[in-house]
Amino acid sequence: DAGVIQSPRHEVTEMGQEVTLRCKPISGHDYLFWYRQTMMRGLELLIYFNNNVPIDDSGMPEDRFSAKMPNASFSTLKIQPSEPRDSAVYFCASSLGLAGAKNIQYFGAGTRLSVL
Amino acid sequence: GESVGLHLPTLSVQEGDNSIINCAYSNSASDYFIWYKQESGKGPQFIIDIRSNMDKRQGQRVTVLLNKTVKHLSLQIAATQPGDSAVYFCAENVPSEKLVFGKGTKLTVNP
Repeated sequence: DAGVIQSPRHEVTEMGQEVTLRCKPISGHDYLFWYRQTMMRGLELLIYFNNNVPIDDSGMPEDRFSAKMPNASFSTLKIQPSEPRDSAVYFCASSLGLAGAKNIQYFGAGTRLSVL
Repeated sequence: GESVGLHLPTLSVQEGDNSIINCAYSNSASDYFIWYKQESGKGPQFIIDIRSNMDKRQGQRVTVLLNKTVKHLSLQIAATQPGDSAVYFCAENVPSEKLVFGKGTKLTVNP
């Protein structure tokens, strides 16, 4: 398996624009996680899915952020409208489950977002 | 105004020395722990794990020690190499709940 695949790797956009980040989890993994990482706040969990269903979105900063998982092999994180404070590296991760070694999360390479 | 960033604990070692990275976890119900390594420009990568019924687990050049009494976890890296320079995260797991990540420790290996 190629691991968790995220696209794009880098995104530069202007304030007010819509941004869509994409993730393909490892095949067979039932859980998918979206994180945001900044120097100020470290690694923050935004939302996670189990079998394509959102389980916990308490980390989503505000209504400008939304995430979907239309099928087991694809998820999107959308920011609309984007703001400069959204600039960060966004990671997607997936795992087999939540028990023991199944809870090992495998991370993608991340999307570095810059909002000007 | 001056921005306040996340002040990561840092550890600086000489190449060839052993490194010890510490982590205090918060939940006494946690029964599984993982160490991750994050190199610059990459996502966190799994290094080693340990279950709560163990005190020690060894991998290749890495050893994880668990002290449940004081809720402390450590990662020991033997003969540290420049390629070990990274941020190291511990993560704890309560059964059936998501992983909770620590803030991370930045390791710098000096040649």
